Amino acid sequence: EVQLLESGGGLVQPGGSLRLSCAASGFTFSSYTMTWVRQAPGKGLEWVSDIGRRGATTFYADSVKGRFSTSRDNSKNTLFLQMNNLRAEDTAIYYCAKDLAAGGDPWGQGTLVIVSS
Amino acid sequence: EIVLTQSPDFQSVTPKEKVTITCRASQSIGTSLHWYQQKPDQSPKLLIKSASQSISGVPSRFSGSGSGTDFTLTINSLEAEDAATYYCLQCTTFPWTFGQGTKVEIK
Repeated sequence: EVQLLESGGGLVQPGGSLRLSCAASGFTFSSYTMTWVRQAPGKGLEWVSDIGRRGATTFYADSVKGRFSTSRDNSKNTLFLQMNNLRAEDTAIYYCAKDLAAGGDPWGQGTLVIVSS
Repeated sequence: EIVLTQSPDFQSVTPKEKVTITCRASQSIGTSLHWYQQKPDQSPKLLIKSASQSISGVPSRFSGSGSGTDFTLTINSLEAEDAATYYCLQCTTFPWTFGQGTKVEIK
């Protein structure tokens, strides 16, 4: 069974940093691109970032480019999202998904990030 | 950036009614469009991929159609458990983009 488990969310002050993790199991992690998607409270879904199978290629939404960095450790089946210079508008539930271009099934349960002083 | 516009934003429907949600893309995306269902306090669930491909475990009352710029998600004979927000997603060109969502309420 494919499982994705996000962690690392929490309360952080504006300008601060946070590192999210997504632990994957039930599939060959290194064979799939991975995606981060977020959802602000009461709002819709926003794509954040994609990373290629080997981690050599990454793509970012303009809203996070230069502040967020996606990486992966295929030896540990884990995806990461390093978030720097956080802003109030980054407050959201962050989901990871496997191979979103092919549908992304399933998604993780999400981890909540709150940026507030 | 490809903009996806869903309609309607909200729909209140009686059980057993047919529901149609449309998603229009600002430029042609072939069939690189997926549909998701999100219930309160849950993560999104894939309903239809590549515009019309069914997903194992998803009830057959859910179907998708379309290509190019116009897409449709149809729920035949709505059930109470289908109360949710539905999103379309395009994966043709980065940035991937979602529609704004359509909330379906059961009367």
